[in-house]
Amino acid sequence: GQNIDQPTEMTATEGAIVQINCTYQTSGFNGLFWYQQHAGEAPTFLSYNVLDGLEEKGRFSSFLSRSKGYSYLLLKELQMKDSASYLCAVIDSNYQLIWGAGTKLIIKP
Amino acid sequence: DGGITQSPKYLFRKEGQNVTLSCEQNLNHDAMYWYRQDPGQGLRLIYYSQIVNDFQKGDIAEGYSVSREKKESFPLTVTSAQKNPTAFYLCASTAGGEAYNEQFFGPGTRLTVL
Repeated sequence: GQNIDQPTEMTATEGAIVQINCTYQTSGFNGLFWYQQHAGEAPTFLSYNVLDGLEEKGRFSSFLSRSKGYSYLLLKELQMKDSASYLCAVIDSNYQLIWGAGTKLIIKP
Repeated sequence: DGGITQSPKYLFRKEGQNVTLSCEQNLNHDAMYWYRQDPGQGLRLIYYSQIVNDFQKGDIAEGYSVSREKKESFPLTVTSAQKNPTAFYLCASTAGGEAYNEQFFGPGTRLTVL
């Protein structure tokens, strides 16, 4: 079966750095997305990785290792507004998008 | 401003009633999608449409129906056949039908069946 694993919940302190991991077991791989979703709102696009390595975009970076079936989202200089759920989604060999359950990130002052 | 609108944001219905959720986009996107989001689970695809007058079932289409008569509109009907309809429903669109396209989401409709 297809599976995407993310921690259910994480807590971090304002101003700190947090890494949210995503591991996947899917039938093939054609890309990986990270989305941010504030409670009760629409998910919004953060990043897309298809090749191994680190993609940096301001305070957010996303890393991919296809051989390990692993990605992480790195958030630096955390702000209270970063409190949200972070969704990992993988494109499988049939070009279907498989979504993880999301990681709820709680930022404390 | 371009975007996706869903209405209403909250919807209450009695068990056994059909209900239609609205989704409209003015992004001129070809493809549109309906997802269901339940606590502790990833988004699950209900239906998608890559072109007007054509749509395909997703992973959990049973008890749902859709239409795509206009490019900008993709309404979802939750029928009485859906066993557990209470959920958060998200509509999305992409410029093309390819999976690697960024999905733009509407604000969602929270449906509660009493």
